[in-house]
Amino acid sequence: GAVVSQHPSWVICKSGTSVKIECRSLDFQATTMFWYRQFPKQSLMLMATSNEGSKATYEQGVEKDKFLINHASLTLSTLTVTSAHPEDSSFYICSASFRGRAFDTQYFGPGTRLTVL
Amino acid sequence: KNQVEQSPQSLIILEGKNCTLQCNYTVSPFSNLRWYKQDTGRGPVSLTIMTFSENTKSNGRYTATLDADTKQSSLHITASQLSDSASYICVVSAAYSNDYKLSFGAGTTVTVRA
Repeated sequence: GAVVSQHPSWVICKSGTSVKIECRSLDFQATTMFWYRQFPKQSLMLMATSNEGSKATYEQGVEKDKFLINHASLTLSTLTVTSAHPEDSSFYICSASFRGRAFDTQYFGPGTRLTVL
Repeated sequence: KNQVEQSPQSLIILEGKNCTLQCNYTVSPFSNLRWYKQDTGRGPVSLTIMTFSENTKSNGRYTATLDADTKQSSLHITASQLSDSASYICVVSAAYSNDYKLSFGAGTTVTVRA
């Protein structure tokens, strides 16, 4: 149980375009979803936390207008990287937690590799 | 500032051998500590979780220890297999009155060679 999927698993795009990444909880209702970014040989860095039906809370230094997060339902959150640039190339990982479990129990998705040319 | 430091940064071991990874943290107030395995290009998968009162937790060939007094944890891999090649991440949770915050270590990259 507690499976989280991401789509796509990898994407290559041109500089200036926008890319949408989906995060789905397959067998549970995710009350909270988290988006992380991971650069090579570095730890996961939390970008934002989103609760279903409300605006995401962004970590310091993360541009909310560049990284648009929508958590429209209890099973789906999307991250849109707007006007992507090469420095946005990274591994993006989502995670989800759900009501009834300790808030800090997060189930991670498989990640999405973004390469901006 | 809550920090999690792991050592070594990377290690190479021969198949069948044992190894131990270290994690030191300064996270407070402490809630729990988890070890994750992250295969290349994949998301982290939980191996163990330990709370303040737990000293040892095993999951197959993985054994984690926790010393909450010295704020140290270790992950011991027994009889390593090629499939153990991955990054192992120590994650410490701080419990606040109405929120939790996770602090991630940078990970230890383990390479198992035949």
